Amino acid sequence: QSALTQPASVSGSPGQSITISCTGTSNDVGSYNLVSWYQQYPDIAPKLMIYEGTKRPSGVSNRFSGSKSGNTASLTISGLQTEDEADYYCSSYTGSSTFPYVFGTGTKVTVL
Amino acid sequence: EVQLVQSGAEVKKPGESLKISCKGSGYSFSTNWIAWVRQMPGRGLEWMGVIYPGNSDTTYSPSFQGQVTISADKSISAAYLQWSSLKASDTAIYYCARLNFIGGPFDPWGQGTLVSVSS
Repeated sequence: QSALTQPASVSGSPGQSITISCTGTSNDVGSYNLVSWYQQYPDIAPKLMIYEGTKRPSGVSNRFSGSKSGNTASLTISGLQTEDEADYYCSSYTGSSTFPYVFGTGTKVTVL
Repeated sequence: EVQLVQSGAEVKKPGESLKISCKGSGYSFSTNWIAWVRQMPGRGLEWMGVIYPGNSDTTYSPSFQGQVTISADKSISAAYLQWSSLKASDTAIYYCARLNFIGGPFDPWGQGTLVSVSS
């Protein structure tokens, strides 16, 4: 099972919107609305930001939103803030009983 | 508050054995899955495997099958990840995370356990 493909880096200025893509296949992202997004600061455990493609856990800012088109899921951060500078990973259910999860390659978000 | 607390950092030599733990609280430990995720230095997240503490049903990623053992003790709400013979390439941070169901999101995560293997 190959990792989902994310851009290595995305940057934006404060207040701008950025979008991170997560490209999989028809066997994972394309088949299930079970994509999650995680934010990770250096040396800190990842934190769930979006689940089931578009849902936000309680406490996560509504500046974070998720979407999907075909085999590609996306995370959009609107009104970019300095605190959003972190690594972001997507994950998808694959439907496989032996390998049910695959992570994305990760994207470093830089706030200019 | 739902929480996963992992055991502390370990420094080991190649060939040594190791068992690290992940203790859950604030929820029904037996009826939620626990996943283990590896993060090698400067690298991304890799799913290693999952266990259902209620009956110890376990699934391993093919990349980790035979390399590690995942277990759980529901009586004390703990899950474990163990190695019988560590290699330098096992140096990484290992996270546990809760899954409500297979397919669901990893939430929350433990704080991570740094395992350093060096001669």
